[in-house]
Amino acid sequence: GQQVQQSPASLVLQEGENAELQCNFSSTATQLQWFYQSPGGSLVSLLSNPSGTKHTGRLTSTTVTKERRSSLHISSSQTTDSGTYLCAIDRGSNNRIFFGDGTQLVVKP
Amino acid sequence: NSKVIQTPRYLVKGQGQKAKMRCIPEKGHPVVFWYQQNKNNEFKFLINFQNQEVLQQIDMTEKRFSAECPSNSPCSLEIQSSEAGDSALYLCASSRQVSNERLFFGHGTKLSVL
Repeated sequence: GQQVQQSPASLVLQEGENAELQCNFSSTATQLQWFYQSPGGSLVSLLSNPSGTKHTGRLTSTTVTKERRSSLHISSSQTTDSGTYLCAIDRGSNNRIFFGDGTQLVVKP
Repeated sequence: NSKVIQTPRYLVKGQGQKAKMRCIPEKGHPVVFWYQQNKNNEFKFLINFQNQEVLQQIDMTEKRFSAECPSNSPCSLEIQSSEAGDSALYLCASSRQVSNERLFFGHGTKLSVL
């Protein structure tokens, strides 16, 4: 089964609205990262948050490890936030991280 | 801006041709991963290295790809005989250690096999 599940699959917002993205994972994660993938394909690490709450700019991530879930909150969304947001976990094995299918975010002006 | 440098950005090959892509990891990162992202957004782990040594690779990589990470040279991933199903975005990532560390990705090489 899929290790990482993200919801919603897609999200359309008006500029200025807030976005809440969810990530659930089926096995213990020793590391969790949120990535942003631009329409051109570039993958950027946004936040590394295996537990607790972290902030950077307009982004806030909260991970509840024992419940195997993480959220990414984007406040005051901008059109440039449009793209795919990916959640990925590392189980501590030495060969891979597991990605969710992503949330496609579209922010309209 | 990504400090992991991948080249070329785009690669177009015919079936049966070799397809080679390169990656310069971030300075000080001894661990390099290659992932394939297909058009369904599915990520497939291909291979990883620590310094010049292969740590793990999947069957497909072992059979059809040639990969290396020589010292003082870019890492490379080469498909020996491209197939249509190889069309995908190939992402290189580097890290300070094998697990429990942040991965930093390059922009990727988009391969189209005609």
